[in-house]
Amino acid sequence: GEDVEQSLFLSVREGDSSVINCTYTDSSSTYLYWYKQEPGAGLQLLTYIFSNMDMKQDQRLTVLLNKKDKHLSLRIADTQTGDSAIYFCAESYTGRRALTFGSGTRLQVQP
Amino acid sequence: DSGVTQTPKHLITATGQRVTLRCSPRSGDLSVYWYQQSLDQGLQFLIQYYNGEERAKGNILERFSAQQFPDLHSELNLSSLELGDSALYFCASSSGSGLDTGELFFGEGSRLTVL
Repeated sequence: GEDVEQSLFLSVREGDSSVINCTYTDSSSTYLYWYKQEPGAGLQLLTYIFSNMDMKQDQRLTVLLNKKDKHLSLRIADTQTGDSAIYFCAESYTGRRALTFGSGTRLQVQP
Repeated sequence: DSGVTQTPKHLITATGQRVTLRCSPRSGDLSVYWYQQSLDQGLQFLIQYYNGEERAKGNILERFSAQQFPDLHSELNLSSLELGDSALYFCASSSGSGLDTGELFFGEGSRLTVL
């Protein structure tokens, strides 16, 4: 079955880069996503990558996908205190629209 | 604002009771998903409805049920509540067309506390 795993916690200093990692097991994944959850709020899509891509950049966010190793990462450049949140990776595949989420990585940005 | 509305935001009840959580999807979205977020289980998919019909089932207990009405709003019914049912319940919606990226739009959740 499908499984998505993430480390639970990451602490960085303001201005540094953050790298949040995720591994998944379902090789038929079509899309892979990064969602952000701020305290007391629902999840909000940050970015996504199609499975035939290796990299996607969107302003301060860079997503890297290694299909061979089933490894997904999210790099946040120039991390700000406002980036403090829980980050979830998720995957889906054609024919199954319900996303499978990882356990979430809590990012703490220290001033 | 995602456009997905969930009520109530907070709910406190006792073991053995029954509650109903309500979700209004984004305008035009046909698919509604329910997820449970707890500290020890992470974000678990419960059930999906598409245009009024059940489309997919996840880790939903038999004590739980859901439905989607003709106006596309959905309700999640939780019965014979146990302490372990305390969690944040999220509703999400998507167009369901299969032609998009599959992005889900989440409500702010209903926090259920069972005492």
